[in-house]
Amino acid sequence: DADVTQTPRNRITKTGKRIMLECSQTKGHDRMYWYRQDPGLGLRLIYYSFDVKDINKGEISDGYSVSRQAQAKFSLSLESAIPNQTALYFCATSDRQYFTDTQYFGPGTRLTVL
Amino acid sequence: GQQLNQSPQSMFIQEGEDVSMNCTSSSIFNTWLWYKQDPGEGPVLLIALYKAGELTSNGRLTAQFGTTRKDSFLNISASIPSDVGIYFCAGQLNSRGAQKLVFGQGTRLTINP
Repeated sequence: DADVTQTPRNRITKTGKRIMLECSQTKGHDRMYWYRQDPGLGLRLIYYSFDVKDINKGEISDGYSVSRQAQAKFSLSLESAIPNQTALYFCATSDRQYFTDTQYFGPGTRLTVL
Repeated sequence: GQQLNQSPQSMFIQEGEDVSMNCTSSSIFNTWLWYKQDPGEGPVLLIALYKAGELTSNGRLTAQFGTTRKDSFLNISASIPSDVGIYFCAGQLNSRGAQKLVFGQGTRLTINP
C-alpha cells in the first residue's frame, strides 16, 4: 500500500463549485504539505502544517483553504473553483530529522475547472 | 520570494548518452534535493545534498552541492529508457524551524532508443 494517498486522482468540476481534495498518510509523519504543479512552473507550495494545531500559508494560498483533521489527514479545499485553478495537486509529508527533512509525495490529483 | 532557475528545460538524447542539468539561485540554500517525476506520479527523491561542495552518487546519478550554496547539478551517466521523466531540483531553507522547499521549473528528459 502507498504511504501517501490522494483522493480523488482525477476531478472535473465547474466554475463556482466547492471542491475538496484529500490526503492521507501512513508514514507517521507530523508535517504535511499541499503543492500545485503547472507546466513550466515546477511545484509551488499552497499550505503546510507541522502538526495538527499548526497551519501555515505557502506561496500561493489565495483561493484555497486547508484542514488538518488528524496527524494522518490533510485536506485542501477550493471554496469556489475557478478555471485558473486547473492544475495537478500534490500532497507531501515529512518528518524532521536532524536539521533537515525529506518530503515524500503522493501520486497527485488532476483537477480541471471548466 | 526565492527563485530557482533550472536548465535545460528539456533534453532529447540517445540511449547511452550522459546527461547534465543544473539549478542556480539568487539565494543561499542549506540543502539541495533532486527529484524525478514519472508520468502520472508524484516526485520521488533521488539525491539529497547537505553540505557545500558535497558530491553524492546514487547508482548512475551524481549530484553536487555548489560551493557558493547557490547552485547544484545532476549528472546521469549512460542513460537508459527508464530515465525518461521530469527532473526537479529543490532548495530547502531552514528558518525558524520551517523546512520549506523551493522547486525549479523541471527538466523534461526524452530518450531515443
